[in-house]
Amino acid sequence: NAGVTQTPKFQVLKTGQSMTLQCAQDMNHEYMSWYRQDPGMGLRLIHYSVGAGITDQGEVPNGYNVSRSTTEDFPLRLLSAAPSQTSVYFCASRRKPGQLANYGYTFGSGTRLTVV
Amino acid sequence: AQTVTQSQPEMSVQEAETVTLSCTYDTSESDYYLFWYKQPPSRQMILVIRQEAYKQQNATENRFSVNFQKAAKSFSLKISDSQLGDAAMYFCAYRSARNTGTASKLTFGTGTRLQVTL
Repeated sequence: NAGVTQTPKFQVLKTGQSMTLQCAQDMNHEYMSWYRQDPGMGLRLIHYSVGAGITDQGEVPNGYNVSRSTTEDFPLRLLSAAPSQTSVYFCASRRKPGQLANYGYTFGSGTRLTVV
Repeated sequence: AQTVTQSQPEMSVQEAETVTLSCTYDTSESDYYLFWYKQPPSRQMILVIRQEAYKQQNATENRFSVNFQKAAKSFSLKISDSQLGDAAMYFCAYRSARNTGTASKLTFGTGTRLQVTL
């Protein structure tokens, strides 16, 4: 199994540009999330989804959009990149409640984004 | 809202020795999960160990064990027989056992960077 796959691994954007960070998982996980990691702040939740067609905001959603058209994919869109969005982004997934071993999240390898 | 605090930004341990990383958390819930994640320079987030709050027995995974003190809201990680490969950033994380909305999210501490010396 590939687990959670994120692309690209690195990206440099100019202020105002838009882009989509891709996330795909092959474990049939219902729950998927996007986090950002900033120095000294741990990981913070941007958006999450509890299943195809269902998304909601996390702690720091401004400037980001998500959609969940399939169970496997959960892309994160930056609408108009700003230097404050320079960060490392992680996608994570887990099984839904009621399934065995639904407690833990599996993380992708992250995308390092720099906005100049 | 839940918070997770890691008060040790950096720790150092000699190879083959034992080190304990501290974590405290604040919550009004009684049912939850606690985790330790390891992040090596590769950036990958790797689950090291988990603890269910309803279990009194401390979790153990090979050289890794926890000291879970529910009343004190403390969750420390002990690494025995430290190896060079243990050098990484370690994050403590909390997740509610409720599965509604953002209750299912992970709340992270700010991390402890562990250095392993020869």
